[in-house]
Amino acid sequence: EVQLVESGGGLVQPGGSLRLSCSASGFTFSSYAMHWVRQAPGKGLEYVSAISSNGGSTYYADSVKGRFTISRDNSKNTLYLQMSSLRAEDTAVYYCVKQGTAMVITGSDFDYWGQGTLVTVSS
Amino acid sequence: SSELTQDPAVSVALGQTVRITCQGDSLRSYYASWYQQKPGQAPVLVIYGKNNRPSGIPDRFSGSSSGNTASLTITGAQAEDEADYYCNSRDSSGNLNVVFGGGTKLTVL
Repeated sequence: EVQLVESGGGLVQPGGSLRLSCSASGFTFSSYAMHWVRQAPGKGLEYVSAISSNGGSTYYADSVKGRFTISRDNSKNTLYLQMSSLRAEDTAVYYCVKQGTAMVITGSDFDYWGQGTLVTVSS
Repeated sequence: SSELTQDPAVSVALGQTVRITCQGDSLRSYYASWYQQKPGQAPVLVIYGKNNRPSGIPDRFSGSSSGNTASLTITGAQAEDEADYYCNSRDSSGNLNVVFGGGTKLTVL
């Protein structure tokens, strides 16, 4: 059974930093691109970032470019999102997402989602 | 364009058929994926590719595409289908610009 478990969310002040982690199990983690998608309270889904299966390629939405860094440790089956210079508008539930297609980043067919971790940016 | 447009809300009578649409230029080049999200839960993939259903998704869900419009059809809507539905694709510019539609709230009457 595929499981994605996020952790690391919490309350942080504007301008602060936070690192999210996503522990993956039930599939060959190193074979799949992984993504982060967020959802502000009461709002729709917003794409955040992607990383290729070997970590060699990364992608960021314009809204987080230069502030967020995605990475992965295939030996630990773990995905990360380092967030810095956080703003109030970054407040959201952050989902760790597995892509259905192996190897390349497709940007769609997100077949498994974690339950999400809430990040609140407020003073 | 990297935008996907969905109607904010749609309603359907129990047992009837409903179509939820998603419009965007990128859909001329890429298929949309569709996700169902119920309150307090993570999204669930219901349709991807030309018209593919993940394991466990009822066959009353189907997908289609024409020009710049992708559609999710629920044939014989059930009460448990009441949820928010989001489409997703990538930009057609060649860059990986992933986008989600704004979502459609489906009410089953």
